[in-house]
Amino acid sequence: DTGVSQDPRHKITKRGQNVTFRCDPISEHNRLYWYRQTLGQGPEFLTYFQNEAQLEKSRLLSDRFSAERPKGSFSTLEIQRTEQGDSAMYLCASSSDGLQPQHFGDGTRLSIL
Amino acid sequence: QKEVEQNSGPLSVPEGAIASLNCTYSDRVSQSFFWYRQYSGKSPELIMSIYSNGDKEDGRFTAQLNKASQYVSLLIRDSQPSDSATYLCAADNNNDMRFGAGTRLTVKP
Repeated sequence: DTGVSQDPRHKITKRGQNVTFRCDPISEHNRLYWYRQTLGQGPEFLTYFQNEAQLEKSRLLSDRFSAERPKGSFSTLEIQRTEQGDSAMYLCASSSDGLQPQHFGDGTRLSIL
Repeated sequence: QKEVEQNSGPLSVPEGAIASLNCTYSDRVSQSFFWYRQYSGKSPELIMSIYSNGDKEDGRFTAQLNKASQYVSLLIRDSQPSDSATYLCAADNNNDMRFGAGTRLTVKP
């Protein structure tokens, strides 16, 4: 399978805990994006990487959120001190370059108890 | 005003009919436009991309772009029950991609 891979598929945790998600993009894709999607809404942009450089961050990305792509391949998204409002589907996408179609992974569904 | 606006629907069409989905965007620097299909509980799946004014056809799907009016549409011909899903319109300005909230389409047999 050469698509975008996300892990885990589901994460249930208690409020206040830290969580980390992983995304493996399509291998030849330089750009990697993170989105958050809640029920009835479209995906909301969080941040993106061009290779290992984080080039854009949304105002939605509070200081509790951090993303890395250390070697320009896989990426991690960490949420510290989770809150109820963090419950959502976290989607990762990759593309070969800007303005090109993005291909999405299956997402990680986060539930905060 | 949202950056990408879509009629949330639901839009219901009979099987075999043409489904017409519409989208407007506010960021004039947007250069690439995409339609994604999303089934319930699944991730978005790319249907069409369009970059220049006019029509682009791919099988039963036709995307239309009018940059002067900041308007994008998707036509689905010969609609099938399997087309029932939420359709997301997206506009890309080379820094980030903005999505509409989606239009829920139901194709009735």
